[in-house]
Amino acid sequence: GQQVMQIPQYQHVQEGEDFTTYCNSSTTLSNIQWYKQRPGGHPVFLIQLVKSGEVKKQKRLTFQFGEAKKNSSLHITATQTTDVGTYFCAGHTSGGSYIPTFGRGTSLIVHP
Amino acid sequence: GAVVSQHPSRVICKSGTSVKIECRSLDFQATTMFWYRQFPKQSLMLMATSNEGSKATYEQGVEKDKFLINHASLTLSTLTVTSAHPEDSSFYICSARTGFWTYEQYFGPGTRLTVT
Repeated sequence: GQQVMQIPQYQHVQEGEDFTTYCNSSTTLSNIQWYKQRPGGHPVFLIQLVKSGEVKKQKRLTFQFGEAKKNSSLHITATQTTDVGTYFCAGHTSGGSYIPTFGRGTSLIVHP
Repeated sequence: GAVVSQHPSRVICKSGTSVKIECRSLDFQATTMFWYRQFPKQSLMLMATSNEGSKATYEQGVEKDKFLINHASLTLSTLTVTSAHPEDSSFYICSARTGFWTYEQYFGPGTRLTVT
């Protein structure tokens, strides 16, 4: 079945440093979503990428979808303590499946 | 918009009893809702997909007789954990899609179940 690998599992950074998490799928995706879960909270939808090579930005966050639509990344510039949480990607296979496959998440810890 | 509520937020029950968790879409109609289970510091494990008016589709390894899902209306899905045991203790989260052709999910705040 489809697998979505996400790395790293944990990332410690000093406030102000950059952070990147990567997702790789074993199969071609029709689209991918990114979510953020704060400690003790629930996942919150951040963004969806659909097109090959797509790049979207939300303030300090940059999301990319690979040309082959099998990988994606989330990059945070100049991290802040408010960025702390676990970031999940969720991919949907080509063919229109609405069943998501979540990556295991990357927990970001920002040290002030 | 796209707010999903979940009730209760926390529940403690005794072994052998059943617990019902409600998931509601507050400002939209959800044709599809998902139920997840999350262990501490782990990813989301999809348990089942719930479609309004039809039987839920369970993921492999999830006992449908133990985790009863009902999606009786476009704004309400329920998960009943029957004959709960301590190993069922977990964080249960529901999510909903806002439309038939949409992929992004909006999650409820989750229910922390503790079985003693």
